[in-house]
Amino acid sequence: DAGVIQSPRHEVTEMGQEVTLRCKPISGHDYLFWYRQTMMRGLELLIYFNNNVPIDDSGMPEDRFSAKMPNASFSTLKIQPSEPRDSAVYFCASSLVGLNNEQFFGPGTRLTVL
Amino acid sequence: AQKVTQAQTEISVVEKEDVTLDCVYETRDTTYYLFWYKQPPSGELVFLIRRNSFDEQNEISGRYSWNFQKSTSSFNFTITASQVVDSAVYFCALSEAGGGNEKLTFGTGTRLTIIP
Repeated sequence: DAGVIQSPRHEVTEMGQEVTLRCKPISGHDYLFWYRQTMMRGLELLIYFNNNVPIDDSGMPEDRFSAKMPNASFSTLKIQPSEPRDSAVYFCASSLVGLNNEQFFGPGTRLTVL
Repeated sequence: AQKVTQAQTEISVVEKEDVTLDCVYETRDTTYYLFWYKQPPSGELVFLIRRNSFDEQNEISGRYSWNFQKSTSSFNFTITASQVVDSAVYFCALSEAGGGNEKLTFGTGTRLTIIP
């Protein structure tokens, strides 16, 4: 079975540009999570969805960040406009039941904003 | 608020030595879950174990073992007879069950280097 799929794996963009990160969760998983990993702040939960509905977006740093899950097999995390401080590795994860069970992580997208 | 502390930022041991990674947590809930994840140099996060707050039994899986002690709010991870492939960053994490606050909070990680 395929794991969580993220694209692109690497993204380099210039400040002010729009960035869209994509995630395909494991089929049948009800929950989808977006995390950000930086040296300074470690791993942070940005937002999570249950059955395609956003449940908690309190980790989203500011209005420049938005996430959607139009269907059970696809989610996007968008940054508009991007800033250099957004440079990080962004992980998508999914789980079958909820936060209290094993989360399966994708390989991550390394974002560099120049 | 929930918090996870991994005081050891980096550890280096010689191959075949045993090593223990410490994890201390804070929570006000009586029901919670503890996790360990491994992040090898390739970057992906790999689930290792989940423990609920009502199960304090130690667990062993091959060369890996976990010691959960509620009295000291600790969930330590020991690797026995370490191998080079164990080199990675290890994260301890906590989630509180229910009450609308089920976020998975990660510690800052411990970078483990196994020297051949």
